[in-house]
Amino acid sequence: QQPVQSPQAVILREGEDAVINCSSSKALYSVHWYRQKHGEAPVFLMILLKGGEQKGHEKISASFNEKKQQSSLYLTASQLSYSGTYFCGTEISGGSNYKLTFGKGTLLTVNP
Amino acid sequence: KAGVTQTPRYLIKTRGQQVTLSCSPISGHRSVSWYQQTPGQGLQFLFEYFSETQRNKGNFPGRFSGRQFSNSRSEMNVSTLELGDSALYLCASSLGTSETQYFGPGTRLLVL
Repeated sequence: QQPVQSPQAVILREGEDAVINCSSSKALYSVHWYRQKHGEAPVFLMILLKGGEQKGHEKISASFNEKKQQSSLYLTASQLSYSGTYFCGTEISGGSNYKLTFGKGTLLTVNP
Repeated sequence: KAGVTQTPRYLIKTRGQQVTLSCSPISGHRSVSWYQQTPGQGLQFLFEYFSETQRNKGNFPGRFSGRQFSNSRSEMNVSTLELGDSALYLCASSLGTSETQYFGPGTRLLVL
């Protein structure tokens, strides 16, 4: 079941904040966030696991509401380099095999 | 550490032909996943291999197959190519389940 991302696109000025949401109809075990720039491969941003553990290596925050099966990615004080398409990938809870299902993406454009 | 490498980077084939794509994961990574990315469908999961075993498969026809070797390198094969198979094929490696996936640069396949 493909997760639903919102908004589909957002345009910001440098320094503004943005929130990208990811919702699933299934109980989730983990949510992965990636950013992809045009012509490049997706780059890892963050993993949120059921139970609250969070892994990431960039100064970007995210939340995972297990009850609502939703995750939100928070981009604060946006920089030009934040531009790109953001994908959430979800792993279903209780699944015996590893399978990541991605949303259609949110196109973020940061202008000077 | 060297990143994920994929060969070839670009490929042009005609309908009915078959193609084999190769992926070399990051050293020490035993999980390799394959994705198809198109403008219309986004990132779609093809299959995942761990220690030479296919653990999960996406909703693709049997023309799509893959394998993993003892050194964790993976190949995917598409037989009887169709125009709709034109896409960017991405390979990602990780240490295991629910770990960060590192994507390769992809192989762009054009079917004429």
